[in-house]
Amino acid sequence: QSALTQPRSVSGSPGQSVTISCTGTSSDVGAYNFVSWYQHHPGKAPKLMIFDVNKRPSGVPDRFSGSKSGNTASLTISGLQAEDEADYYCCSYAGSYTLVFGGGTKLTVL
Amino acid sequence: QLQLQESGPGLVKPSETLALTCTVSGGSISTTSYYWGWIRQPPGKGLECIGSIYHSGSTYYNSSLKSRVTISIDTSKNQFSLKLSSVTAADTAVYYCARLNGYEKFDYWGQGTLVTVSS
Repeated sequence: QSALTQPRSVSGSPGQSVTISCTGTSSDVGAYNFVSWYQHHPGKAPKLMIFDVNKRPSGVPDRFSGSKSGNTASLTISGLQAEDEADYYCCSYAGSYTLVFGGGTKLTVL
Repeated sequence: QLQLQESGPGLVKPSETLALTCTVSGGSISTTSYYWGWIRQPPGKGLECIGSIYHSGSTYYNSSLKSRVTISIDTSKNQFSLKLSSVTAADTAVYYCARLNGYEKFDYWGQGTLVTVSS
């Protein structure tokens, strides 16, 4: 199972919006509405930010939103804040209890 | 609040077996609907799902690691474990344990433990 494709880096200024893409195939992202996104500050445990494409766990700000079109899922962060600077990973169910992660995207808040 | 904590050697020699344990506190590992998984992150690389286990013992493994991986569970100790055999330098990574809630959401994670494969 190949890793999902994410841009290596994105950046934005405080208050702006950024979108991180996650491209898979018709066997994973395109086949199931089971895409999740994780925020990872180095040295800490990853944190679930979005699940089932566009659902937010309790406590995650509504500045974080998810969507999907075809084989590509997206995470949008609006009203960027300094503390949003982190690595972000997407993950998709790929059938037969298989999960595949993206390669990760480094978000820099300028 | 559910907490997970990885434990095990931080240094493993090439060709030997990596063994880690995840201790779950604040909740029962036997709770239905949840799987328990292992994920790793090699230095400078992305996350990789290693596999998961249900309290009944049912397991699912990443096909690329399947021949070398064993995940087991001890409900009496509220722990689950990972064994990865015949390790090489490519297995050097931070290893995380996590709770898998549903098909794809890991909603609770351990802090991670760095395992280095070196002689």
